[in-house]
Amino acid sequence: NAGVTQTPKFQVLKTGQSMTLQCAQDMNHEYMSWYRQDPGMGLRLIHYSVGAGITDQGEVPNGYNVSRSTTEDFPLRLLSAAPSQTSVYFCASSYRGQGGDTGELFFGEGSRLTVL
Amino acid sequence: ELKVEQNPLFLSMQEGKNYTIYCNYSTTSDRLYWYRQDPGKSLESLFVLLSNGAVKQEGRLMASLDTKARLSTLHITAAVHDLSATYFCAVDETGNQFYFGTGTSLTVIP
Repeated sequence: NAGVTQTPKFQVLKTGQSMTLQCAQDMNHEYMSWYRQDPGMGLRLIHYSVGAGITDQGEVPNGYNVSRSTTEDFPLRLLSAAPSQTSVYFCASSYRGQGGDTGELFFGEGSRLTVL
Repeated sequence: ELKVEQNPLFLSMQEGKNYTIYCNYSTTSDRLYWYRQDPGKSLESLFVLLSNGAVKQEGRLMASLDTKARLSTLHITAAVHDLSATYFCAVDETGNQFYFGTGTSLTVIP
């Protein structure tokens, strides 16, 4: 099994450009999420989804859009990139228990984005 | 605002020594997770603690959870170089939103 696959691994953008970070999982997980990791700040939740057609905002959603049309895919869109969005982005997925609680997260390898 | 605080942020320890990393959090959640991250790599799950008093052990690492004190500890026994990494704790407040600590960067010196 591939687990959680993110593309691209590296990307350089100019301010104002748009792009999409792709995330796919093959574990049939209902829960998927996007995080950004910045030095000294741990990981911060951007957006998450508890199933196809359902998305919600996390701690730092501004400047990012998501959609969840299938169980497998959860792309993250930057509509107009800003230097403050320079970061390492991680996609993560998890199963959900019968009570709706989410289990441990399985992470992709990360995407390093630089905005000039 | 939910806060997850780890200490120390940086830890340099000699091989063979014991040490503890602390994770304090401000929510009433009883679900806490520990992850490991090697430099330039992704995060991998170490422990899942789902109730007060939970204790999990894997090799030289042992994690515990005290929900009344809102405290989790990651204890390292007889450290070896392979344990050098950054360790994160994370709290799941609503069943959908994970909040991570800032991480503890551990370096084990021969």
